[in-house]
Amino acid sequence: DIVMTQSPDSLAVSLGERATINCKSSQSVLFGSNNKNYLAWYQQKPGQPPKLLIYWASTRKSGVPDRFTGSGSGADFTLTISSLQAEDVAIYYCQQYSSTPPTFGGGTKVEIK
Amino acid sequence: QVQLQQWGAGLLKPSETLSLTCAVSGGSFRGYNYNWIRQPPGKGLEWIGEVKYSGTWEIGQSGSVDYNPSLKSRVTISLDSSKKQVSLRLTSLAAADTAVYYCARSNVEFYDDLSRSYASIGLDYWGHGTPVTVSS
Repeated sequence: DIVMTQSPDSLAVSLGERATINCKSSQSVLFGSNNKNYLAWYQQKPGQPPKLLIYWASTRKSGVPDRFTGSGSGADFTLTISSLQAEDVAIYYCQQYSSTPPTFGGGTKVEIK
Repeated sequence: QVQLQQWGAGLLKPSETLSLTCAVSGGSFRGYNYNWIRQPPGKGLEWIGEVKYSGTWEIGQSGSVDYNPSLKSRVTISLDSSKKQVSLRLTSLAAADTAVYYCARSNVEFYDDLSRSYASIGLDYWGHGTPVTVSS
């Protein structure tokens, strides 16, 4: 299984400031037949299911604010929230779906400082 | 608007069998894969398995299933296309199976304008979750 490791476990950021979350996979998540990174980011607010924010490591799902940016390739990825808003308080998970079983990182809790 | 509505028993005893159903509405049923994922209280997400209802060579035959090896001996996921429903069955329950169980759709044939090809984008719609407690 591909192991996904997120850091930090939690972070507190002031409103309007940048939040950066890292995700490393134990092997490349580049999908061979189409050269895409099969890496997604999800946002989960308390009492709600996860919500897909970003796929292919850097493509925002329709309707996701542009303050959310995904970057990286191969085995190293980053989710950046450029200007933290109150509604961004949540746990964020990365997931690889390049090989079975798909696996999730342990999550990063983002709070307001 | 695509919606996944889940239901099933929420309080079970050790050794019993969990049965959950997920109904899909508001969009096409065919052309996607359907997953079950669980989340123990205060913990992260664990993929349980997936049933395929799309037909590209890349992901195999429609109706085939993949399971998490750690649960494979106890899990059955099935699909009823006439009802647009997906079901989960997990046998020989133990306290460690206490979790919120989610169904979620895998969009594996998303069209990418840039590369003019189809590719998977992950789990794009989720059910609301069903809390399941296993306790004697």
